[in-house]
Amino acid sequence: QKEVEQNSGPLSVPEGAIASLNCTYSDRGSQSFFWYRQYSGKSPELIMFIYSNGDKEDGRFTAQLNKASQYVSLLIRDSQPSDSATYLCAVRVGGFKTIFGAGTRLFVKA
Amino acid sequence: ETGVTQTPRHLVMGMTNKKSLKCEQHLGHNAMYWYKQSAKKPLELMFVYNFKEQTENNSVPSRFSPECPNSSHLFLHLHTLQPEDSALYLCASSQDPKGSYNEQFFGPGTRLTVL
Repeated sequence: QKEVEQNSGPLSVPEGAIASLNCTYSDRGSQSFFWYRQYSGKSPELIMFIYSNGDKEDGRFTAQLNKASQYVSLLIRDSQPSDSATYLCAVRVGGFKTIFGAGTRLFVKA
Repeated sequence: ETGVTQTPRHLVMGMTNKKSLKCEQHLGHNAMYWYKQSAKKPLELMFVYNFKEQTENNSVPSRFSPECPNSSHLFLHLHTLQPEDSALYLCASSQDPKGSYNEQFFGPGTRLTVL
């Protein structure tokens, strides 16, 4: 059974701090990795994807991938209250199949 | 707006009803997906279509019947559902994964309640 694990949270950080969200996956053959943000009552929105080891930065967001440790993370710098949402880690395991984690709830305190 | 639309946004149905969910994508993508999202559970992939051909059926009960007439439209036909089928049903689309990393874009979802 291929799995994607996330801490459900809630993760609470003060405004302006760095939020660090983590994800592990079980399938070593996984090809690409995604972070989605989902506000309450809304659908998932793609934030970033990464496919090679290392860091990928986009504005305040940095995705980090370590395939040897089967670990993906998302860092949010200068966290804002509007970043409060559930963050879903997703892993493409082959073909059209992408496995989603259950998500981590992030709460940014003003 | 993400370019993927779904109707209806909310649906309440009895266990003996027949209804259909509709999804349309305006992104020029080739693949379309149905996911089920229940409270505090990961998104569950139900069906995948690529160029109108079904490529994944994730052991979904036959009371859910997908239809994909073309690459832009996807339907989910529902009949004799159970209360445990109440959930948010999400449609997504992506480019053909052979040429991309398969980033998926989601519609707003249909909130389904089965009484």
